[in-house]
Amino acid sequence: RKEVEQDPGPFNVPEGATVAFNCTYSNSASQSFFWYRQDCRKEPKLLMSVYSSGNEDGRFTAQLNRASQYISLLIRDSKLSDSATYLCVVITNTGNQFYFGTGTSLTVIP
Amino acid sequence: NAGVTQTPKFRVLKTGQSMTLLCAQDMNHEYMYWYRQDPGMGLRLIHYSVGEGTTAKGEVPDGYNVSRLKKQNFLLGLESAAPSQTSVYFCATQGAREQYFGPGTRLTVT
Repeated sequence: RKEVEQDPGPFNVPEGATVAFNCTYSNSASQSFFWYRQDCRKEPKLLMSVYSSGNEDGRFTAQLNRASQYISLLIRDSKLSDSATYLCVVITNTGNQFYFGTGTSLTVIP
Repeated sequence: NAGVTQTPKFRVLKTGQSMTLLCAQDMNHEYMYWYRQDPGMGLRLIHYSVGEGTTAKGEVPDGYNVSRLKKQNFLLGLESAAPSQTSVYFCATQGAREQYFGPGTRLTVT
């Protein structure tokens, strides 16, 4: 079983739409969670951390549900520039290894 | 600051040839990682290092070797390249909370 699983999409949404991605993880002892963004043919970059209480950064909201072992990312008022692949990342309790999901592709359409 | 750099950016090898990928960082980070990224597979950890002179195996280490002789450099070697090693290779370092990635090396083995 994979450590982290994501719906690969693709998600094609119009500008201004709200879109949500989910990600599940298998290790209940996982301790840290992140969303990374990867543009086409570029390296991944940190988008935001995910905290137990949920956290918001502008149009982006991240949630963690430890009981069900999933994390989510909500993007409101989608912009063309949000088009990218979004990677869910989980760190195990050893802290040395980051486990990446396969990514969810988002295209925002004018 | 250059951050994380990778050399070369592109390479084409014939089956059986060898090569070394170089990762260099100027952020004074202890932890460094080598990943490969393939369509539908996401980022998979090849090897990592928790400090100068140390290395450890990741999820997919077979066919690769690494060395960390200096803190700022992490080398990934392919002794006898195979077509299955065609991929995009990313190096990363770990800061306090996130991983910082290099721009990637696109390797094709024919």
